[in-house]
Formats: sequence, C-alpha cells, structure tokens
Amino acid sequence: DSGVTQTPKHLITATGQRVTLRCSPRSGDLSVYWYQQSLDQGLQFLIQYYNGEERAKGNILERFSAQQFPDLHSELNLSSLELGDSALYFCASSVRDRELGGYTFGSGTRLTVV
Amino acid sequence: EDQVTQSPEALRLQEGESSSLNCSYTVSGLRGLFWYRQDPGKGPEFLFTLYSAGEEKEKERLKATLTKKESFLHITAPKPEDSATYLCAVRRYDYKLSFGAGTTVTVRA
Repeated sequence: DSGVTQTPKHLITATGQRVTLRCSPRSGDLSVYWYQQSLDQGLQFLIQYYNGEERAKGNILERFSAQQFPDLHSELNLSSLELGDSALYFCASSVRDRELGGYTFGSGTRLTVV
Repeated sequence: EDQVTQSPEALRLQEGESSSLNCSYTVSGLRGLFWYRQDPGKGPEFLFTLYSAGEEKEKERLKATLTKKESFLHITAPKPEDSATYLCAVRRYDYKLSFGAGTTVTVRA
C-alpha cells in the first residue's frame, strides 16, 4: 500500500456521461498530480494541485477538470466522455510543490467508456 | 521539445541472464531522471532518482547509471519477480515530469 488512495478502482460508463475520480494523497503530502495512461500514449501528465491551488497543467482536455479540497483530497471530473477516454487514471502525491524527489502513485482507476 | 525514449520495448530474459535497459532523453534543464517499476494493473513504484552525469544508484539486483544523454538500468542475475514494466521519467527546469513508454521485462524461470 503506497498510502495514496484512489477510488473507485474500476468504472464502466457510457459515452456522453460524466464521472468523478477521487484521490487521497499520502499523509503529509500537499501536492497531487493526475496522470492518464493509455496503451498507445503511455503516462501523460494532466494537472497538478498544491495545497488547494492549481500549479501546473499538462495535456488536459477542456472536458476534464480537477480540484483539490481543504482536506487535500482531489477529484478529477471527466465529462462528455468519449471512447478514447478509456484509460487508467493515476493520482500521485508529493510533499512539495517543486518536488525534487520521486512521486508516490496510487493504484489507479481503470475507466472504460462503452 | 522534451523527449524520453526507452529501448527495447520488450525484453525476455532467462532467470540469471543479466541485461540492460536504455533511456535516452532530451530535456530543457534536467532536474532529475527517475526510474519506476510498474506491475500490471498497478501504479508506478519509485525506484531511483539520478541528478547528474556519472551518478549511480543500486537496489538489490538493479543498478541505474546516468550520462548527459541517456540512462541505463542494469538488471543483474534477474529473477521471475523482476518481471515488470520499467519506466524512465525526466524532470525539467520547470519541474514537469515526462515519462517514457517503458520497457516490459519478462524473466522466465
């Protein structure tokens, strides 16, 4: 157990729907990162939050949004889902904003859009 | 644009057969090169960070090295439990972390 908790583990939904993925960072970590991993793209950085504020954006679609709450858990909202959004979504956490060390990853949420 | 290229894509080894994985990179202002291990259906697990050319890190049967253009992950006398996908990532000047596509290692008993 890495200490980063992601729920749900699996999600199956239809095209056009909206889902919310949840992440609780490791105790003491203030930064949360969201990554998407698909078979043909590898791990792609989506967005980072630090202590409730957005700090960096990667290749995140406009249909996707995220936030980090005062208790530091984070949610990734995916809307108007398309078949191509099917992927593993990982959350990672670290202590600092500009982290020099490695991130701790959760076990991921597998999203299947049908 | 930053690039992280890992080779080979897949590696099949006999137990005890040592080998090396390569990660070549171009990045603006390297602030660290990372190796992660990922088991199927799991999140990446941090292995090593290397910060400067010439640096080496070891953990059990794994040894990572870094030059100015590439990093190697050497697996010495691998065991079946070393089977996994090994991911390389680079952190650039603005602290963004970019991952390579990974090398899937299968070790047969």
